[in-house]
Amino acid sequence: SAVISQKPSRDICQRGTSLTIQCQVDSQVTMMFWYRQQPGQSLTLIATANQGSEATYESGFVIDKFPISRPNLTFSTLTVSNLSPEDSSIYLCSVRTSGGLGDTQYFGPGTRLTVL
Amino acid sequence: GDSVTQMEGPVTLSEEAFLTINCTYTATGYPSLFWYVQYPGEGLQLLLKATKADDKGSNKGFEATYRKETTSFHLEKGSVQVSDSAVYFCALTRSDSNYQLIWGAGTKLIIKP
Repeated sequence: SAVISQKPSRDICQRGTSLTIQCQVDSQVTMMFWYRQQPGQSLTLIATANQGSEATYESGFVIDKFPISRPNLTFSTLTVSNLSPEDSSIYLCSVRTSGGLGDTQYFGPGTRLTVL
Repeated sequence: GDSVTQMEGPVTLSEEAFLTINCTYTATGYPSLFWYVQYPGEGLQLLLKATKADDKGSNKGFEATYRKETTSFHLEKGSVQVSDSAVYFCALTRSDSNYQLIWGAGTKLIIKP
């Protein structure tokens, strides 16, 4: 398994500003993912972030709005730019590991963002 | 494309009742199947998984069996507790990728004492 922490756990931001979310893993992992969970909804994949390469974004998500950094194998950041109330969601990072359970994804505790 | 369908919630049960949350899937190939749980105010935790037909995943008294003939992965628990109140998500790995997850809509479970 993997232990994942995120900062901040929650934030309230003003429209037009940006928020950067940090994700730290306790072991080296190749693949990290960023998800959005809108209120009462399931998860939507924003992008896949592999160390040493550009993040791969899913349909409907663009780098200008959601820039991602992946400087090493244990850390990533997601920035949500030019915030609007529609960006109010929980943002989760996850990692893929291979081990006793085979390929499995583990999740961080999430960052709850409220945009006013 | 691949998809996951879960029973709609909320599901409300009394403590010690038997739980079933239905999950069916559509996929090409042989996906792995997962149940994740999200307790109030927390992130997602992997509850159990199964990687091939007839596999049974189990954890914390919960079980689910990978049924290829019915394309199902129903979650069951014999006696639920108030602490099991959470949202449960069924998911599968995409057939063309062994790491991206396709998610169900989630089922909210409420257990009353």
